Formats: sequence, C-alpha cells, structure tokens
Amino acid sequence: GQQVMQIPQYQHVQEGEDFTTYCNSSTTLSNIQWYKQRPGGHPVFLIQLVKSGEVKKQKRLTFQFGEAKKNSSLHITATQTTDVGTYFCAALTAGYGQNFVFGPGTRLSVLP
Amino acid sequence: SQTIHQWPATLVQPVGSPLSLECTVEGTSNPNLYWYRQAAGRGLQLLFYSVGIGQISSEVPQNLSASRPQDRQFILSSKKLLLSDSGFYLCAWSVYSYNEQFFGPGTRLTVL
Repeated sequence: GQQVMQIPQYQHVQEGEDFTTYCNSSTTLSNIQWYKQRPGGHPVFLIQLVKSGEVKKQKRLTFQFGEAKKNSSLHITATQTTDVGTYFCAALTAGYGQNFVFGPGTRLSVLP
Repeated sequence: SQTIHQWPATLVQPVGSPLSLECTVEGTSNPNLYWYRQAAGRGLQLLFYSVGIGQISSEVPQNLSASRPQDRQFILSSKKLLLSDSGFYLCAWSVYSYNEQFFGPGTRLTVL
C-alpha cells in the first residue's frame, strides 16, 4: 500500500528559530493536507495543496507541494511556544474510493 | 455550524471485555465518517470509514467492528478487547473523501 514518510520524527528548537518538516510519498499524489495536533488534543486541519509546485502561506507557516507531487514541506518562521505539537501530513492518491493516508508526524518542541 | 461529539473521553477496560465507542456529528448531512486509532506518540491509523448508512469499509483486519445505524452516528465496537487495543481513538468526518477532515475530541482507551 501507499507509504507516507515524514522527517524528522522529532525537532527541538529554541523560540525564534525556524522549523521545517518534510513529507514524502512513494507514489504520485493528487492532494496533500497538513494537520496540527497539540499535546493531548486532536488533529486540526491546516491546509490542503492540490497543484504541482503550489506554495501557500498562513502567517508564519509556509506550505509547499513538490513539482513531481511526491513530496511536501511545512516551514515555520520564527517559532513560538504556541507552535508546539505534532504536525502530520496526509496524502491522497488519485482514484475512486481512496482515502488520505497520514504520515507518522513530526513532533515539535519549542524551548522558551 | 458543524460539531462532532465522541464519548466517553476516557475508558479503562479489562482484557476480554466488550467495547462500544460512539461518535455523532451535528450540522451536516450524509458525511463521510472515519474511525482512527493513534498509539502513544505515533501517527493515525485508519480503521474504518463509511460513506453512508450501513456502508462500512474496513482498512485493517482486527477484532474491532464499526456500524453506522444513522446518518450522523458512527459506532466502534469490540466483543473482546485485547491489550493491543489500547490507544487514542478518533472519529472524524468530511464532506467528501478529498476534503478536509474534522476530528472529534477522541477517546483514550486503556486495556488492562
């Protein structure tokens, strides 16, 4: 089946430093989504990317979909303690009846 | 606005006991419904999804089952729990399979 990988598994940063997590798929994707899960909470949808090379920004967060639609990245500029949590990508391959496959997540810790 | 409810929030059950977790959605009709399991510090594993009443698809063979007796009600069950069933169970809904998913608050299940 489809595999979705994320790196790194864990990232510890000092507040104010930048952070990037990468999502890679073994197959070409039609859509990719990003979610954030705060400690003890549930995943919350952040964004969806559908076009090759697409870049979307949400304040300090920048999301990018690779040209080949096999990878994606999430970059946070100048991290804050409120950014703490686990970031998941979820990948969808083309085809009827397909569901999003979640990556294992990147756990971000921000030291004040 | 749409709301998703899950109960109970936490549950401690002995091995071999039955299980019933309930999820209900308000404010939308004919949603896609999903059950996920998240082991401690891990990603989300899709267990079941449903595109309509009485329609259940299983992603992972195991001792769990799901039912959708009403349009906005999704139930996860087991006749006999195993230690390996411990985890964080999340219910989610979406309009279509390629749309964003909205997660409930989850149920933390500990099997002793």
